[in-house]
Amino acid sequence: AAGVIQSPRHLIKEKRETATLKCYPIPRHDTVYWYQQGPGQDPQFLISFYEKMQSDKGSIPDRFSAQQFSDYHSELNMSSLELGDSALYFCASRDRGMNSPLHFGNGTRLTVT
Amino acid sequence: ELKVEQNPLFLSMQEGKNYTIYCNYSTTSDRLYWYRQDPGKSLESLFVLLSNGAVKQEGRLMASLDTKARLSTLHITAAVHDLSATYFCAVDIRWEYGNKLVFGAGTILRVKS
Repeated sequence: AAGVIQSPRHLIKEKRETATLKCYPIPRHDTVYWYQQGPGQDPQFLISFYEKMQSDKGSIPDRFSAQQFSDYHSELNMSSLELGDSALYFCASRDRGMNSPLHFGNGTRLTVT
Repeated sequence: ELKVEQNPLFLSMQEGKNYTIYCNYSTTSDRLYWYRQDPGKSLESLFVLLSNGAVKQEGRLMASLDTKARLSTLHITAAVHDLSATYFCAVDIRWEYGNKLVFGAGTILRVKS
């Protein structure tokens, strides 16, 4: 079965640089979520989209922005990167109408040096 | 603000033993999920609990949900080394325009031979 696809898998950036993470949800899933997971931490909700509209915002810094495109893929843009942004970034998708769990991608490991 | 508390946060078990992980949450919700995460890997959905009194079992793991007590449990029976991982509970928060999962801090399980 198709899964959530994230790219890149690994990303190394320097402080103050910009990064873009991509996510391709499972086909026919109408909701996309972004989570950030620091080392030894639980996943923290960043932002979500329902039918290409932002539906909720969590603890996402103003330096980060995200959008969902007409083909339902989503991108998380991160600017002025800081060392503390180093983390695993997960994208997840679900069909909101169904009582199903979020299906997570394999994540993008961002390292800021 | 919703709080999701898991305990214990770290569990070291001998193979063949039984133990229970607890997940308490602070707001009304009748949907709760359990995920497993191996180091550096994605989150794998284990159980979907959708109503009060729900009980699900898969192999040596059994999960239950008591929405009145706002408590879910993950019971491990006759632990084996392959169960070593981090286990997260996640509460599904829904409102008219969106939804998200709020995760507990996770329980690191180590099963010793």
